[in-house]
Amino acid sequence: GQQLNQSPQSMFIQEGEDVSMNCTSSSIFNTWLWYKQDPGEGPVLLIALYKAGELTSNGRLTAQFGITRKDSFLNISASIPSDVGIYFCAGQRRNKLVFGAGTILRVKS
Amino acid sequence: NAGVTQTPKFRVLKTGQSMTLLCAQDMNHEYMYWYRQDPGMGLRLIHYSVGEGTTAKGEVPDGYNVSRLKKQNFLLGLESAAPSQTSVYFCASAQSAPTTQYFGPGTRLLVL
Repeated sequence: GQQLNQSPQSMFIQEGEDVSMNCTSSSIFNTWLWYKQDPGEGPVLLIALYKAGELTSNGRLTAQFGITRKDSFLNISASIPSDVGIYFCAGQRRNKLVFGAGTILRVKS
Repeated sequence: NAGVTQTPKFRVLKTGQSMTLLCAQDMNHEYMYWYRQDPGMGLRLIHYSVGEGTTAKGEVPDGYNVSRLKKQNFLLGLESAAPSQTSVYFCASAQSAPTTQYFGPGTRLLVL
């Protein structure tokens, strides 16, 4: 079953607002990743985190690898309409990734 | 450079029918994966392969079989389709570790 708890399940925000979402797990992961999926397409990697405590940015996106290695956070600053989509967290375990259920982001223009 | 491609894009099956989904990658990647995506459940790993000629079970392997006869192709088979297999199927590939997986555009399967 699902091993990552991702929240919130969905968000409806105003354009220009900042967005935060997070992912928690009962077990440790060595790598945390954040993907975005646009409607009708496959997920695309946004940010990869390899070290506990690591804070990494990619444009308006910032993600952090939690100190306990059991959680990760993604922030999007100054949201724009093209940010809409589903955001997934994923943790690496051996040769596989375990995905969260996703956060659906809708932006009001 | 096409990346990861999936065939077909959409298919309707009747219960009990069989079919094969094809995934092809032109990046010379070692690792390949098959996922299914259902509403509210994210992506769940069905089977994966760490190299040509190898396959392994993922989280939800029952009712599916796979083969990796050539490095660039990863086939997912449904021997006897069931309505519970209605889903969107994604293939992914990665070079040397699962972290940077490149996903295909998906195959939508409806089993009636």
